[in-house]
Amino acid sequence: EVQLQQSGAELGKPGTSVKLSCKVSGYNIRSTYMHWVNQRPGKGLEWIGRIDPANGNTIYAEKFKSKATLTADTSSNTAYMQLSQLKSDDTAIYFCAMRAHFDYWGQGVMVTVSS
Amino acid sequence: DVLMTQTPVSLPVSLGGQVSISCRSSQSLVHSDGNTYLHWYLQKPGQSPQLLIYRVSNRFSGVPDRFSGSGSGTDFTLKISRVEPEDLGVYYCLQSTHFPYTFGAGTKLELK
Repeated sequence: EVQLQQSGAELGKPGTSVKLSCKVSGYNIRSTYMHWVNQRPGKGLEWIGRIDPANGNTIYAEKFKSKATLTADTSSNTAYMQLSQLKSDDTAIYFCAMRAHFDYWGQGVMVTVSS
Repeated sequence: DVLMTQTPVSLPVSLGGQVSISCRSSQSLVHSDGNTYLHWYLQKPGQSPQLLIYRVSNRFSGVPDRFSGSGSGTDFTLKISRVEPEDLGVYYCLQSTHFPYTFGAGTKLELK
């Protein structure tokens, strides 16, 4: 059974960074892209970017190029997303998802930015 | 960016009824490889989205045949027949033909 287990909720101060993790079981992440998606409170879904864990290649939506950094550790089968220079409008639930059609999703992690 | 226009925003339904959700893209979703990367998801309250239909009309594993997808080019439809309580939630379309990938704004399926 494929499972994506995301790290716990984060509370970050404005201007700081947080690093989220997404540990995959039941599937080798070298064989898929890992995507990240956000959902602001009460809003819809927004694609942030993807990483190819096999070679580290990344593609970002333009608005997240200076906000998000995607990495992956194939030895632990885990994908990461670091969010930098946090602002209040980064407050959202962040999901990881995998496979070609976003077949499987993590449970999501709430990131709250507040001083 | 490809704009995905999803209608309606809200869709009241009676259990056992049939509904359709439309998703229109601002440009063709036919990829250079010949495939059309338009997918449908359901997000139930407090949960992650779950894949229902991939590449326009293919049901994901375990998805009941009450769900069907159709369309081509820029115009796509998700049909749900014999609506059951577990079908309630917000439906999203996603295009993964063009970067950046973009979602529709969502359609909330709720009881009349």
